[in-house]
Amino acid sequence: GIQVEQSPPDLILQEGANSTLRCNFSDSVNNLQWFHQNPWGQLINLFYIPSGTKQNGRLSATTVATERYSLLYISSSQTTDSGVYFCAADSGNTPLVFGKGTRLSVIA
Amino acid sequence: DTGVSQDPRHKITKRGQNVTFRCDPISEHNRLYWYRQTLGQGPEFLTYFQNEAQLEKSRLLSDRFSAERPKGSFSTLEIQRTEQGDSAMYLCASRGYKQFFGPGTRLTVL
Repeated sequence: GIQVEQSPPDLILQEGANSTLRCNFSDSVNNLQWFHQNPWGQLINLFYIPSGTKQNGRLSATTVATERYSLLYISSSQTTDSGVYFCAADSGNTPLVFGKGTRLSVIA
Repeated sequence: DTGVSQDPRHKITKRGQNVTFRCDPISEHNRLYWYRQTLGQGPEFLTYFQNEAQLEKSRLLSDRFSAERPKGSFSTLEIQRTEQGDSAMYLCASRGYKQFFGPGTRLTVL
């Protein structure tokens, strides 16, 4: 099945800084989604992005399906952006497979 | 807000006891998933339903685990004869094209 790898595993930012999180996947995908897990454990869906680019406020994501990677950009980071960011993918009508996540800490 | 809900939010039990968790998905979603998450890891797939049919089970799902989704609405996940290794966060999700998670049930087995 699909394997999903995320980098970096940990990231510490000063408030206001920008960052890029990367997700590599091992096979062609029909579905790729980014999630944020807040410090209370709730997983929030950020993007459904099997290909192309989307933006939502200070967050944007790009998936290059032919090269099997996706990027999540966070601009002007805030302390509320802290948590773990997960990338998840599937290859069809199958369950999403999650990476191990990038743990982001934004310091005031 | 008619998001995904789970009950209970926390469960502490003694080894060997049975526990049951409930998930109520977003009403218009026909796909429902159960995941397990341990500290420092991403969610790991356990099983999923399309309507009332259980279509796939992970090898992680031992014989002590059973899940149901009667009438294609809410779902239950039961763990029999709990072991300390079952301690984890159990997450339910439902999906249209985007997947949405419930708040999870944190299980602690003493």
